[in-house]
Amino acid sequence: DAGITQSPRHKVTETGTPVTLRCHQTENHRYMYWYRQDPGHGLRLIHYSYGVKDTDKGEVSDGYSVSRSKTEDFLLTLESATSSQTSVYFCAISELAGYNNEQFFGPGTRLTVL
Amino acid sequence: AQTVTQSQPEMSVQEAETVTLSCTYDTSESDYYLFWYKQPPSRQMILVIRQEAYKQQNATENRFSVNFQKAAKSFSLKISDSQLGDAAMYFCAYRIRQGAQKLVFGQGTRLTINP
Repeated sequence: DAGITQSPRHKVTETGTPVTLRCHQTENHRYMYWYRQDPGHGLRLIHYSYGVKDTDKGEVSDGYSVSRSKTEDFLLTLESATSSQTSVYFCAISELAGYNNEQFFGPGTRLTVL
Repeated sequence: AQTVTQSQPEMSVQEAETVTLSCTYDTSESDYYLFWYKQPPSRQMILVIRQEAYKQQNATENRFSVNFQKAAKSFSLKISDSQLGDAAMYFCAYRIRQGAQKLVFGQGTRLTINP
């Protein structure tokens, strides 16, 4: 298995509080992604990173920010959590863009916003 | 924008039988990849099979095979000799060949295997 960990694995928080989810990889892959999974929607891309300090928005980026200060860590922040952000969040990594490289997924974080 | 549609929210099959999961997609690109991912109750995303759009030959991985119809933008997954361990959510996904590997997923199909 690819070395990807996510922390925390479960979190319950209240509306309006800030939340940070962490993705850590030991594979030294260049690309990192954050997806959210909701029933009826599959997985949707929130943000991704193509290098240290290089990030870009995905399909559902409103209300989220990301940071990548080291190759191995990619943080997802909800500045002020809302109930609509209750979801399962997946981090993924991949190596080279444009090549037939598999995207590896972390175990997921279940976030509940009350 | 690219979209992926799985029109079967749920499917069931008898153990040892064959089942086909459907997926259609919409894109204006000509060079892309298509994938099927399996998500068991553990929530882990597992790559089952991938297809490169420029290849006419359908991909096969053991009991899993695809029917790739590029003109129709259809990408179905066939599971032969279904096993209890095949029970899971299955997601169809797409990405363009170039650039960051941003995956676009379908809504998923929950597959139940009846013993």
